[in-house]
Amino acid sequence: QSVLTQPPSASGTPGQRVTISCSGSNSNMGANTVTWYQQLPGTAPKLLIYSNDQRPSGVPDRFSGSKSGTSASLAISGLQSEDEADYYCAAWDDSLNSFYVFGTGTKVTVL
Amino acid sequence: QVQLQESGPGLVRPSETLSLTCTVSGGSMSSYYWSWIRQPPGKGLEWIGYVYDSGYTKDNPSLQSRVSISIDTSNKQFSLRLNSVTTADTAVYYCARAISGNAGDYFYMDVWGKGTTLTVS
Repeated sequence: QSVLTQPPSASGTPGQRVTISCSGSNSNMGANTVTWYQQLPGTAPKLLIYSNDQRPSGVPDRFSGSKSGTSASLAISGLQSEDEADYYCAAWDDSLNSFYVFGTGTKVTVL
Repeated sequence: QVQLQESGPGLVRPSETLSLTCTVSGGSMSSYYWSWIRQPPGKGLEWIGYVYDSGYTKDNPSLQSRVSISIDTSNKQFSLRLNSVTTADTAVYYCARAISGNAGDYFYMDVWGKGTTLTVS
């Protein structure tokens, strides 16, 4: 059902900058804010970015989010080994029967 | 610090009804959207639905009206029932607390349970 498209994978060496894209449509990302979740292996998802670009307390400032139109991006600057995880974007979709939708997910590998 | 804990049977037979409960500790249930999310083995996240503290609910239309979510604020629990299950409903089920702006201008899940595995077989 996912209508938010992410690349399946991304990778980088320690210290590099990695960017993950999330592409949607006017009914979801074009109309509502974007959230990013991080899921470390074998654990529950964790809130990483909310309201497009806001970091909750405790999230390192090397994580940043942005949104423009119907697309959003998550950037990880100064990549660290503990950042190896799955990352999901999410937003409300205001279609006929509105619902909350997650992106397809991106696996970030630290080389 | 708010914590959520899912509980459930672990195994359900096809065509039966799945029932899960999430217990909230360390905080109030007022003014939050109490949500269920699932993740099939090796796949991504799927939002199931939520219940507000008033009892108002909303669920994912893709689940074709098989979902019922309820809340018991006196016992600090909320529950999920999913009827007519099939093997496609096998997943890790998470409960989560969600926050929304008054104008619906933002919505996000800030506290998650550890998840419970549900197998349909």
